[in-house]
Amino acid sequence: ETGVTQTPRHLVMGMTNKKSLKCEQHLGHNAMYWYKQSAKKPLELMFVYSLEERVENNSVPSRFSPECPNSSHLFLHLHTLQPEDSALYLCASSQLTGRTNEKLFFGSGTQLSVL
Amino acid sequence: SQQGEEDPQALSIQEGENATMNCSYKTSINNLQWYRQNSGRGLVHLILIRSNEREKHSGRLRVTLDTSKKSSSLLITASRAADTASYFCATEGNTPLVFGKGTRLSVIA
Repeated sequence: ETGVTQTPRHLVMGMTNKKSLKCEQHLGHNAMYWYKQSAKKPLELMFVYSLEERVENNSVPSRFSPECPNSSHLFLHLHTLQPEDSALYLCASSQLTGRTNEKLFFGSGTQLSVL
Repeated sequence: SQQGEEDPQALSIQEGENATMNCSYKTSINNLQWYRQNSGRGLVHLILIRSNEREKHSGRLRVTLDTSKKSSSLLITASRAADTASYFCATEGNTPLVFGKGTRLSVIA
């Protein structure tokens, strides 16, 4: 176990549904990340939170809405998704962001299928 | 771009052989990291090499970094079936870690 837990592990949703992905880290880290992993594409950084403040938002469509209520929890709220949003969504944490030589600790991911 | 690009995309070897994967990038970096991912799981950090380092070892892993050529290699010695996974390089520069597409390694018993 990496100390980063993601739920659910699998999610199937229709395009009109609203669902949320949850991530919790037990490492005492202050930075949390959402990455999207699609087949045959590099990992795409979606959002970065540092000390509960969003510091990076890589032109992600508004149908993805992140929430970081505290340094241990991170959510990704999903609504009116498209089939191309089907992917593995990975949460990660690090001690801090904006500092060099940080390594990331990843959760096991949520495999999302949008029908 | 800062994004690393791994080569080859896929590699298949026999158990006991060595596996070498390469990563090239285009901009200056602070460090380069290698991660491993088992199918459908999260990534696990393997090793970090700073821009002022040329070689680093960790168990059966050996990483080299050539900043003049903007390239790195990951060598796994005496491979085992359990090493079967995808391996990603990630570069840190002015932005958070940027990952490549990965090399898919299959070790056949």
